[in-house]
Amino acid sequence: SELTQDPTVSVALGQTVRITCQGDSLRNYYASWYQQKPGQAPMLVAYGRDNRPSGIPDRFSGSKSGNTASLTITGTQAEDEADYYCNSRDTNGVHWVFGGGTKLTVL
Amino acid sequence: QVQLVQSGAEVKKPGASVKVSCKTSGYIFSHHAIHWVRQAPGRGLEWVGWINGGSGNTKYSEGLQGRVSITRDISASTAYLELSGLRSEDTAVYYCVREGPSGYYGQFDYWGLGTLVTVTS
Repeated sequence: SELTQDPTVSVALGQTVRITCQGDSLRNYYASWYQQKPGQAPMLVAYGRDNRPSGIPDRFSGSKSGNTASLTITGTQAEDEADYYCNSRDTNGVHWVFGGGTKLTVL
Repeated sequence: QVQLVQSGAEVKKPGASVKVSCKTSGYIFSHHAIHWVRQAPGRGLEWVGWINGGSGNTKYSEGLQGRVSITRDISASTAYLELSGLRSEDTAVYYCVREGPSGYYGQFDYWGLGTLVTVTS
């Protein structure tokens, strides 16, 4: 089972960007989203049906439709420039998979 | 607060084994699963496996099956990752990660800082 992400996405400062994650397992399971900046461990930014950990700005929101999960950043800030990864259980619900990651560039 | 503190960097020769520890605090260890995730230099995240903190049940990536073992010591609130038959392609940062409450959404809510394992002759 695989999760597919666009390798690169760019967005103008202050604009809205959507990062997508596609895979068969998403028809049955929720995705989670992680932000990773250079030299740092990943950090959870969104999960499930539009949930955010405490401390994550509300400009980050998650959603799902069919086999596609999306992370939307509204009013993108310069500090949002990072790699973003999705993950979920695989189609069997036994193992886990990550998407290949999306490098977000803020112009 | 929740913390996952990993053991230090390792340098190993091909064919050797490595064991990485992850000492947790700030929550009830047996109430959460612990996953291991690795990241090769310049590459994406790869799920390695997980252990149920309470039952000790495990599941491993099919690509590492037979070489990987995850164990835990409840009394020490610590999880361990052991990888045998090391190859150069096992060179990576290995992260231990806590799975969130209930397991319903399955989010990885707390991450350790990572342990660099380098396999070189």
